[in-house]
Parts: sequence; C-alpha cells; structure tokens
Amino acid sequence: DVKVTQSSRYLVKRTGEKVFLECVQDMDHENMFWYRQDPGLGLRLIYFSYDVKMKEKGDIPEGYSVSREKKERFSLILESASTNQTSMYLCASSFGPGIYGYTFGSGTRLTVV
Amino acid sequence: KQEVTQIPAALSVPEGENLVLNCSFTDSAIYNLQWFRQDPGKGLTSLLLIQSSQREQTSGRLNASLDKSSGRSTLYIAASQPGDSATYLCAVRRVRDTDKLIFGTGTRLQVFP
Repeated sequence: DVKVTQSSRYLVKRTGEKVFLECVQDMDHENMFWYRQDPGLGLRLIYFSYDVKMKEKGDIPEGYSVSREKKERFSLILESASTNQTSMYLCASSFGPGIYGYTFGSGTRLTVV
Repeated sequence: KQEVTQIPAALSVPEGENLVLNCSFTDSAIYNLQWFRQDPGKGLTSLLLIQSSQREQTSGRLNASLDKSSGRSTLYIAASQPGDSATYLCAVRRVRDTDKLIFGTGTRLQVFP
C-alpha cells in the first residue's frame, strides 16, 4: 500500500515563528498536495506539485509556501505563523492526473498561540 | 463550478442496520469519484475509487455506485457496526482542472450498540 507520512501529529508554535510541515510518500507518486481542514469550511487546497521543483497555487495560498526538492518529499512552510493558521493540515499524493485516486496522510494538528 | 453535496449531514443508527449515504455533483465531466472515511482528529482513509466508466465498486461490507449522467453516487454499508462510526466524504476528480479533488460536505455517521 502507498504510504503518505506526515512527520508530526501535533504541533504548537508561537505567532511569528517559521513553521515547516513535512510530508513523504513512498510510491513514486508524481502529484502531491497540501490541504487544510477547518470546521464548517471543509478541505481547502493550499498548494500542489506535479513534479520535482514544480508548484502550483491552490485556492488559499496566502501566507504559505512549499518546497519539493525530491520527488518523495513535499514541505509546507508557514513563513510567519499566525493564529488564523491554526488548523488540521493534510498532505496527499496521487500517481498522476486523471484516473488516479488520492492517498492522504494522517494529518498534522497545528496550533499557533 | 463543480459542487458536491452529501445527504444526510448526520446519521445515527443502531448496530446491524444497512445504510445508504448519498453524494451528488453538478458537473458530470469527471474522471472518477472517491469515497473516504475520516475518524475524529485523523487523516482521510480511502475506501473506494470508482472510475467514470464504472457503475460500482465493492470492498467487504461497502458498495459504492456511480451514475455519472445524473450526477449521483451512493455508498452502501451493510450490517453496520460501531466501528463504522466516522465522517464519510466523497470527492470527484473532474476532467477540467484535473489536479484538484472537489470534496463533498461529509456525512457524520454514528452507529450505536
């Protein structure tokens, strides 16, 4: 089975800190995604990447950046964390576009204080 | 714009009942539809992936059907168990803008003993 691993289950950070969320997949998937999930708002796409060093903005990219230096790893960066970025962050991967399904990681619950 | 709606929003049933969860989508130009399960505070677990050319998929006590022309999918859970309690999400991968999954609003299911 494909595995998508998020390095932290829970994180607590202070306002203004630079925060790195890491995601690794082990099945040579081309596409990787970062979502955030909030009550009442559902899942919203932050950024995605369809190849190494490639990135595309999703629906809510403001305040975030990403890095994909290796195919298996996709990092989400909060340049200066704010309290409104407190959320559940979910990483996902897919073999490619079109017919392929998504595999999600177990999520990172980030609290910014 | 693709919209995905799930009915009911919440469901509470006694153990042993057979259940039907509904998912409807407005744009029938999709590659596939995927059903996920999410336990509280956790990531998404893929249950079933149905390609647009398929009518249904089965896995154990789960059966998902797809009627692309009418924009509907159902997830059937046979002989429900307390361990089935979770939120169920459907998501479509559309032909236009294929890199994005469009998620439904979710059905929160509780199965009591």
